[in-house]
Amino acid sequence: QQQVKQSPQSLIVQKGGISIINCAYENTAFDYFPWYQQFPGKGPALLIAIRPDVSEKKEGRFTISFNKSAKQFSLHIMDSQPGDSATYFCASQGAGNMLTFGGGTRLMVKP
Amino acid sequence: EPEVTQTPSHQVTQMGQEVILRCVPISNHLYFYWYRQILGQKVEFLVSFYNNEISEKSEIFDDQFSVERPDGSNFTLKIRSTKLEDSAMYFCASSPDRANQPQHFGDGTRLSIL
Repeated sequence: QQQVKQSPQSLIVQKGGISIINCAYENTAFDYFPWYQQFPGKGPALLIAIRPDVSEKKEGRFTISFNKSAKQFSLHIMDSQPGDSATYFCASQGAGNMLTFGGGTRLMVKP
Repeated sequence: EPEVTQTPSHQVTQMGQEVILRCVPISNHLYFYWYRQILGQKVEFLVSFYNNEISEKSEIFDDQFSVERPDGSNFTLKIRSTKLEDSAMYFCASSPDRANQPQHFGDGTRLSIL
């Protein structure tokens, strides 16, 4: 099965700290890697995405680091804020249309 | 900003009954999807739909499931004979085209089977 493994399952960070969430994929045909943010009662909202031709992408406080040889990618949230408290999902997509999601990370940012 | 809208937000149905979940994708998008999320678990792909036909489906999407675009704006998921294990959040998503473009999700329908 084409899995995407995400860690940690939960994360507590102090306000102003850096939140780091990691994902690993198995299928080398994956070529699009988005991160989604989900608040309770809402659907997943696209946060940032990367393609494997670059090793890093930054948008504001959010950065994706991508290691193609290791088949790993991570989300870094700089200067984490209480409003960032949510569940974060990494995902991978290949030639088909389906997104394969990781198991999710519940982030809590303490004031 | 354009949104994917889903109705109803919560559907309660007796086991064995048919249920139809409705979605209005973003208007200029060409690909439509259904995903589900069982409570506490990961989001799982069910089916993608393009040009009025299924383009891809998962093993979850068996004969009890069907999708339809009955008009120019709606996209529906029908579950013919619901089972207890169908209880989940069902998310609709859409994307502009298939070239690995972002998929935008609605807020989901919570389906509870009694």
